[in-house]
Amino acid sequence: EVQLVESGGGLVQPGGSLRLSCAASGFTFSNYWMTWVRQAPGKGLEWVADIKDDGSGEFYVDSVKGRFTISRDNAKNSLYLQMNSLRAEDTAVYYCASLHLTWGQGTLVTVSS
Amino acid sequence: QAGLTQPPSVSKGLRQTATLTCTGSSNDVGYQGAAWLQQHQGHPPKLLSYRNNNRPSGISDRFSASRSRNTASLTITGLQPEDEADYYCSAWDSSFGGWVFGGGTKLTVL
Repeated sequence: EVQLVESGGGLVQPGGSLRLSCAASGFTFSNYWMTWVRQAPGKGLEWVADIKDDGSGEFYVDSVKGRFTISRDNAKNSLYLQMNSLRAEDTAVYYCASLHLTWGQGTLVTVSS
Repeated sequence: QAGLTQPPSVSKGLRQTATLTCTGSSNDVGYQGAAWLQQHQGHPPKLLSYRNNNRPSGISDRFSASRSRNTASLTITGLQPEDEADYYCSAWDSSFGGWVFGGGTKLTVL
């Protein structure tokens, strides 16, 4: 079964950091670009970042550039999102996805004092 | 990084056909086509089709997608109560190298 499972979300104060993880199974992870997408409460979907299948290139939405870093470990079938200098507007459910294959169940990040 | 345009809501009767639209530009929908996602309240998005009408395994053939220039469409035939959900389109935007999403369409099955 193709599956993505996120972890690492939680409550963090403004200016703080969190690292999200995503464990992939059921498909050849190293063959796929991977993506983080977020959804603020009651809002639509917003693309956050992409990483090439071999990790050689990363792409970000303007609002997170310089604060978030996407990375992957193909040996561990894992995707990561390091989030620094978090702001209230980063509060959302964060989904790990291979956009033409499958999505994870999401992990909630709440930025609040 | 402008988004794709979807109507906020569509209402159709049971067993009828609904067609949802997604309008973009030559840089996104018109470039490589669109993907469609279904999201029920409180659940993650579920991929229905990608690159216009490629359906993942397990997706009913009641869902079919198409594209005409810069507008993508999702047609759902024989509407069922479980089809009531939010539907999102997405496309790769070649102008900035990232994904754009539509604002979503809430489908109500009467």
